[in-house]
This record gives sequence, C-alpha cells and structure tokens, in this order.
Amino acid sequence: EDKVVQSPLSLVVHEGDTVTLNCSYEVTNFRSLLWYKQEKKAPTFLFMLTSSGIEKKSGRLSSILDKKELFSILNITATQTGDSAIYLCAVEQGGGSNYKLTFGKGTLLTVNP
Amino acid sequence: DAGVTQSPTHLIKTRGQHVTLRCSPISGHKSVSWYQQVLGQGPQFIFQYYEKEERGRGNFPDRFSARQFPNYSSELNVNALLLGDSALYLCASSRLWGNYGYTFGSGTRLTVV
Repeated sequence: EDKVVQSPLSLVVHEGDTVTLNCSYEVTNFRSLLWYKQEKKAPTFLFMLTSSGIEKKSGRLSSILDKKELFSILNITATQTGDSAIYLCAVEQGGGSNYKLTFGKGTLLTVNP
Repeated sequence: DAGVTQSPTHLIKTRGQHVTLRCSPISGHKSVSWYQQVLGQGPQFIFQYYEKEERGRGNFPDRFSARQFPNYSSELNVNALLLGDSALYLCASSRLWGNYGYTFGSGTRLTVV
C-alpha cells in the first residue's frame, strides 16, 4: 500500500526559530515529491522535487529530496507568525496520462510571537 | 490569469441527498483531479480526468462520479450522501506534462446532516 508519513504531526515554536519538517514515503511509480502550505482552504504550492540531492530554495524556505532513503525535508529559517499553517507533503505517482497525488497527514506548525 | 475556481464554497445537505460540485481549471490546463480532505487528514485522491477521460480513480465507492467537459471544467457528483462524506472537496488542475505541479482551488466545504 502506498504511504506518505510526515513528522512531527504538530510543532509549536517561537518567532525566529528554525524548523525542519520530515516526509518519508513508500510508493509505486514515483514521479515527484511536492510540498504545500495550507492555511485555510486551498493548499498553495511551495516546491516540486524530482532529483535527489538538489536543494530548492525560496526565501526562508528550502527543501531537499533523498530518493535512495525515500524522504524529504522542508526547512524554514527565521520563522514568522505568518508561517503558521499546515504543511503537506505529497508524492506524485503515475505515468502516461494517469497521475495522482498521495498526501501525508500534514504537519501543523504554530509560530508564537 | 484566474486560478482554479470551485463552486459552491459551502454546502449543507441531508443524508440520502445528492450533490454536484463544480471546478474550472486554469486556462490551458487539461487535467483536473478531485480530492477529499476530512478534518485532520491530508487530501485523499478521488478522480483524475485528462482530455475528458477518466484516467485514475481512488478508493471511493460508486456513489462518487465525475466528468470533464470540452472546456476542461469538471463536475464531481456524490449520490446517497452519508454523514462521513462531510469534508472539504478540493479540485486541482495541472498541465500534466512537465514539472509544473498542481494548483488547487479553495475547495467546497460539504456538510452532511
């Protein structure tokens, strides 16, 4: 059975802290791994990772994929209260014209002032 | 460019009724996928459509059906609603080819009473 496991499930930090969110996976037909931020309703796209060892960065956020050990991490440095959200990890599976995302349960991040 | 639009935003239905949810993808995106997100869980894959054909189906009962129209918009239909169908229903559109990721709509919050 395909599974995506995120840890921790929840995290409370103070502004300025650095956090690391983890995502491990066991799936068939792996194509890519995606990170999303969900504040109210629509998950918003953060990163898409397809190659091992290549770090992707966007401001204070960065992410890397290890396809040998089947995991990814999302780092957020100098956290701000606006970073409070659920962070979702999803693995894209498929081929041809048949694709789907398998999500983890998410990590609820709370950043206190 | 308009993002992914879903309607309605909220809906309350009674057990046994049926419901139709609608999604308009980003212009140029030919693939639409539907996900169900129950409170406290990550989104779960229901259907993927590409070029008006069903390309993938998740582990949902036959009460769930969908279709995609020539303009690539999509409908998700759920018959004989159960209390357990209460969830946020998300639509995602994608170009499918290339590393562009998936863009989600804000979802429809369905409450079954």
